[in-house]
Amino acid sequence: QKEVEQNSGPLSVPEGAIASLNCTYSDRVSQSFFWYRQYSGKSPELIMSIYSNGDKEDGRFTAQLNKASQYVSLLIRDSQPSDSATYLCAVNYRPNSNSGYALNFGKGTSLLVTP
Amino acid sequence: EAGVAQSPRYKIIEKRQSVAFWCNPISGHATLYWYQQILGQGPKLLIQFQNNGVVDDSQLPKDRFSAERLKGVDSTLKIQPAKLEDSAVYLCASSPTIRDRDVYEQYFGPGTRLTVT
Repeated sequence: QKEVEQNSGPLSVPEGAIASLNCTYSDRVSQSFFWYRQYSGKSPELIMSIYSNGDKEDGRFTAQLNKASQYVSLLIRDSQPSDSATYLCAVNYRPNSNSGYALNFGKGTSLLVTP
Repeated sequence: EAGVAQSPRYKIIEKRQSVAFWCNPISGHATLYWYQQILGQGPKLLIQFQNNGVVDDSQLPKDRFSAERLKGVDSTLKIQPAKLEDSAVYLCASSPTIRDRDVYEQYFGPGTRLTVT
């Protein structure tokens, strides 16, 4: 199965700093990319989606996509302690030639924002 | 708009017993997914439905797991008999549809935490 790789962390940043989360993927035909936030004991929550090369901004979050390098990143500006969570990168793939598309998740990066 | 509903939220069973999980997707969402998330890992797709048909079940351990989605709305996932390694959180997600090339965003329910002793 195609791979989605993330550094497991923990990534520790001080409050107010920029947190940078990275993800690489192996399937060159992937077209859809997502970032989910998962608090401990909770289910994943969609925070960003990106489909085209470049940057996409939503509030304090910026997703960056480079399909040539097979690289997706998430920047969190003005990090807050409430941003402390695991961030999951998800990439679309086709399980088989007869199926539709599904999502392949990385293992997640744990982010800790310290006051 | 109501989110994805799942029940039960927690379940503890002994190995070799059976268990069933229920999911009600967001209203109007044609596509429903069941994932297994083991502690420290990302969600792993078990089965995908579009309306009431199975789109992909290649990662479903069919000797012990089964799932159905009657009438294209609610879905149940069953494990029989359970093994210790089935201890995980079982997540249900839904999305509006599947286009030919892209996957719409998926929205997750709260999950069912299963412990097999």
